[in-house]
Amino acid sequence: AQTVTQSQPEMSVQEAETVTLSCTYDTSESDYYLFWYKQPPSRQMILVIRQEAYKQQNATENRFSVNFQKAAKSFSLKISDSQLGDAAMYFCAEGTSGNTPLVFGKGTRLSVIA
Amino acid sequence: ETGVTQSPTHLIKTRGQQVTLRCSSQSGHNTVSWYQQALGQGPQFIFQYYREEENGRGNFPPRFSGLQFPNYSSELNVNALELDDSALYLCASSFNRGPGSYEQYFGPGTRLTVT
Repeated sequence: AQTVTQSQPEMSVQEAETVTLSCTYDTSESDYYLFWYKQPPSRQMILVIRQEAYKQQNATENRFSVNFQKAAKSFSLKISDSQLGDAAMYFCAEGTSGNTPLVFGKGTRLSVIA
Repeated sequence: ETGVTQSPTHLIKTRGQQVTLRCSSQSGHNTVSWYQQALGQGPQFIFQYYREEENGRGNFPPRFSGLQFPNYSSELNVNALELDDSALYLCASSFNRGPGSYEQYFGPGTRLTVT
């Protein structure tokens, strides 16, 4: 069975600084996808970034980037130049190809300090 | 492009009652997945509908059932409500084009409270 583990229940970062959120996963699939979702207090789950497991290059989206270590089954999210609007719950998720359901971690609550 | 919408936003029910939650998928999407998110937890997969057929189910009892309509909107029905059913229910839509990458787009959720 697939599992996703986020070992940091809470993190905080000063505005304009950089923070890294950790995620490890376990899957027996060879073709899979990894995602980071952001859930602000408004509750809407927003896709932040995605990584295809077959790609060696780490994904980046503006201030958000990942460090994908396939052998270690690690998928961390780095947020650069943190902004107040980045404060939210962040969920790491894994899905295999073909539209299978996502498996989520328990989330990390990120606070941004002005 | 219209995003995923859910109704109602909030709902309070009594133990033993039945509830129906609704989801309108994003334009062009043919697959709807439902998730239950208990307080302080990540979402848990309930089931998925693709072209009006159930296409996978998580570890939820049969009193959780669903429907998908020809316009790809969907309903989640829960019978004989229990206190532990209190949660945020999320709907996510996606376009199933077979093996390959996909992304699920989430609605704002329905907060269900069972008393």
